[in-house]
Amino acid sequence: KNQVEQSPQSLIILEGKNCTLQCNYTVSPFSNLRWYKQDTGRGPVSLTIMTFSENTKSNGRYTATLDADTKQSSLHITASQLSDSASYICVVSPGMYSGGGADGLTFGKGTHLIIQP
Amino acid sequence: SQTIHQWPATLVQPVGSPLSLECTVEGTSNPNLYWYRQAAGRGLQLLFYSVGIGQISSEVPQNLSASRPQDRQFILSSKKLLLSDSGFYLCACDRDSGSPLHFGNGTRLTVT
Repeated sequence: KNQVEQSPQSLIILEGKNCTLQCNYTVSPFSNLRWYKQDTGRGPVSLTIMTFSENTKSNGRYTATLDADTKQSSLHITASQLSDSASYICVVSPGMYSGGGADGLTFGKGTHLIIQP
Repeated sequence: SQTIHQWPATLVQPVGSPLSLECTVEGTSNPNLYWYRQAAGRGLQLLFYSVGIGQISSEVPQNLSASRPQDRQFILSSKKLLLSDSGFYLCACDRDSGSPLHFGNGTRLTVT
């Protein structure tokens, strides 16, 4: 069964500090891995999409890494800001879909990050 | 860029009442459209997806139905709501398997 496990479930850090969120998956075959940021009461917003051949991808203060051999990904946030408070969701896509593009996605439950001033 | 409009933002409905949530997409044509439900402490659950007008696929058996009367319009409905239908409903779209999903801002449904 395809699964995506995220850790920690929740995290509290002080503003200005760095943090790393983890994502382990068992999805096979693998096509790409996505990180989304979801503010409270809003829809998720895409941060990065990484394919099998990519090890690192950055988007501003967000850097995602992928180890396709160990099936692990991390999202590193540098110099955290209050606006980084949100849930971060890891989503894994298999190699083949049965229909529409996203019907085969497996979602993690997310890490709830709180940045304290 | 794609923009997804969902309404209403919040909704409180009694058990047994009907439901209609609407989603419209701007900035793209012939998108794949999706309805997700997000329960507290759980990941997003895909309810329905559509690859074209009138084409609906259901992922899980449920009390809900979906329709796509126009290319950029996706509707989630129920004839009689259950308490278990409460949750955060998200509409999303994409163009292909390699493109990111774009989400609306969701509807918080509370069935009382």
